[in-house]
Amino acid sequence: GDSVTQMEGPVTLSEEAFLTINCTYTATGYPSLFWYVQYPGEGLQLLLKATKADDKGSNKGFEATYRKETTSFHLEKGSVQVSDSAVYFCALSDSGGGADGLTFGKGTHLIIQP
Amino acid sequence: EPEVTQTPSHQVTQMGQEVILRCVPISNHLYFYWYRQILGQKVEFLVSFYNNEISEKSEIFDDQFSVERPDGSNFTLKIRSTKLEDSAMYFCASSRPGYEKLFFGSGTQLSVL
Repeated sequence: GDSVTQMEGPVTLSEEAFLTINCTYTATGYPSLFWYVQYPGEGLQLLLKATKADDKGSNKGFEATYRKETTSFHLEKGSVQVSDSAVYFCALSDSGGGADGLTFGKGTHLIIQP
Repeated sequence: EPEVTQTPSHQVTQMGQEVILRCVPISNHLYFYWYRQILGQKVEFLVSFYNNEISEKSEIFDDQFSVERPDGSNFTLKIRSTKLEDSAMYFCASSRPGYEKLFFGSGTQLSVL
């Protein structure tokens, strides 16, 4: 079945540091890939997505590139801020917008220190 | 931006009791979902619901679980006889047909004692 593996947390960085959160996946077919973010006390919010190989999703300074050859979708940001502290979830969808839902990774807790 | 609303935010119950978790999806959405996250583990898909019936369900969603859209606005998850291992954060989500973006509620933390 489908699965998503992401790096264990917590990840602690200083403000303005470079961020990488690794994510790899296994899936049948050609899934769409997502990063969701959960700020303290809130629900999961879509951060960015990519629907086909070599697509780059980007939002709020975060980027991730769909790499089919390495089955990866690593999240990067060039300069993190304290407000980026949250839990980040990598996810995939095989359903192309249908009812099958998402398969999530375990989540990576990111802590940014001033 | 419209929101998915879940109530209560915390629910404590005794083992063997029935619980109902409530969700109000975004009004023009037609797909509804429940997910759960046991502490320290992955967010797991439970069930999806479309056109007043279950579309997909996972192995977790056994006979102890049921979902309902009782009045056209609420979407509920019922656990008939709770077990200790049902303790988790339960997330409701909704989406529009053909769109992969799910909108999530802030979750209900269920504690079974």
